[in-house]
Amino acid sequence: GAVVSQHPSRVICKSGTSVKIECRSLDFQATTMFWYRQFPKQSLMLMATSNEGSKATYEQGVEKDKFLINHASLTLSTLTVTSAHPEDSSFYICSASTIHGYTFGSGTRLTVV
Amino acid sequence: GNSVTQMEGPVTLSEEAFLTINCTYTATGYPSLFWYVQYPGEGLQLLLKATKADDKGSNKGFEATYRKETTSFHLEKGSVQVSDSAVYFCALDTRSNDYKLSFGAGTTVTVRA
Repeated sequence: GAVVSQHPSRVICKSGTSVKIECRSLDFQATTMFWYRQFPKQSLMLMATSNEGSKATYEQGVEKDKFLINHASLTLSTLTVTSAHPEDSSFYICSASTIHGYTFGSGTRLTVV
Repeated sequence: GNSVTQMEGPVTLSEEAFLTINCTYTATGYPSLFWYVQYPGEGLQLLLKATKADDKGSNKGFEATYRKETTSFHLEKGSVQVSDSAVYFCALDTRSNDYKLSFGAGTTVTVRA
């Protein structure tokens, strides 16, 4: 079945630095990738939709200059959290839409100290 | 807009107990409804789905029936196992919004031997 590989699973970074999260579709081409954020004990909130070869579409309230999304190929989408701050600490998860439905990555736990 | 309201957890059960997780929704149009499961350290996996009213989704002993009259999609399992310990998410997709999923807050279920 369709598999999305997400890395890293956990990352701790210092405040002010940038962190890149990668999602790769392993056995299919992902034209569209969704990026979600999940705060503790809260739901997954859609941050943005990335489309291969074009600019990402951000949800209302999401800073596009802070959360940079690149979808340069049909098998790779990246989310870069720039100038991270402690309030950016969260669980980030990607998802691809396929003919069989949605496939999710395993998520990235980001802690900014 | 679309929203999903899910029973708050955590829920702790003994093995072979009956599990119900309530889920209600608000949506425009005719949504598809999903239950996703997230086992510890893993990504979200589709557990079951229903695409129209009165459909029943089932998988691994879990069932949920799409009830349009009560806008509900409650998840049930008659006899849980320790391996069912996970976080369960109810979600909907109206298909008219670029296939974006709207999630409930998630319910953590712990099954004790």
